[in-house]
Amino acid sequence: NAGVTQTPKFQVLKTGQSMTLQCAQDMNHEYMSWYRQDPGMGLRLIHYSVGAGITDQGEVPNGYNVSRSTTEDFPLRLLSAAPSQTSVYFCASSWGTGGNTDTQYFGPGTRLTVL
Amino acid sequence: AQSVSQHNHHVILSEAASLELGCNYSYGGTVNLFWYVQYPGQHLQLLLKYFSGDPLVKGIKGFEAEFIKSKFSFNLRKPSVQWSDTAEYFCAVKSFTGNQFYFGTGTSLTVIP
Repeated sequence: NAGVTQTPKFQVLKTGQSMTLQCAQDMNHEYMSWYRQDPGMGLRLIHYSVGAGITDQGEVPNGYNVSRSTTEDFPLRLLSAAPSQTSVYFCASSWGTGGNTDTQYFGPGTRLTVL
Repeated sequence: AQSVSQHNHHVILSEAASLELGCNYSYGGTVNLFWYVQYPGQHLQLLLKYFSGDPLVKGIKGFEAEFIKSKFSFNLRKPSVQWSDTAEYFCAVKSFTGNQFYFGTGTSLTVIP
C-alpha cells in the first residue's frame, strides 16, 4: 500500500492564482481530511469528508474548496491564493471517526508559498 | 469548538532523562484522545490513543499517557528518552460522536546525546 499520497511536495504561487492540491489514499478509508500546519498554531482542520459525496467545513475553511467524488481522492482547491495561505498542508485518512476506527494516517505534506 | 492546550512549546532533555508533556483539552463530553509524533522529515504518525477502558494507555517506543477525566488532561510520559525521540509531539482530541479532530500547537522535543 502506498498509504496517503500528496502532490505536489512544493509549490510557489502568486497572489490571486488558483491551484489544486491532490490527495489520494489506497486503504479504502471513508474519512479524509485536510489540515494546515503553521508555526505556533499546530494543525488546524480545513475541510473533511466522511465518505464519497459528503464534505464539511473544519475550523479554517475560508478560501478553500473540496470535493469527494471517489473514496480514494480528496483534492483541496485554493480559489484565489493569498499570502496568508502560505503553510504546510497535510491530508489524512482513517477508517471512520468512531470507536477504534479513527486513527488517522497522514500524507507527507505539501509546502505552499504564496508571494 | 473544542480546544487543546500543550503547555510546553520546546523541551530539551539529556538522554535517559524522564519526559512528561502536558496536554489539556476543553470539552465536557466523552472524548477520544491522541498523541501524534512527527520525526524530522517524516509523516505524522500515531504514538498512542485513548478511546475507552484503562485510562493508562501504552503506545509505541515506550511511551505512555494517562487520561485523567477530572483534570481534562492526557499527559504523555516516557521514563527514559533517547536521542531518536527528538521530534515534534502533538496532542489531539475528538468528541466521541463528532467528526472533527482538534490538535494542540505541538511540543518540540530535543534530546541531547
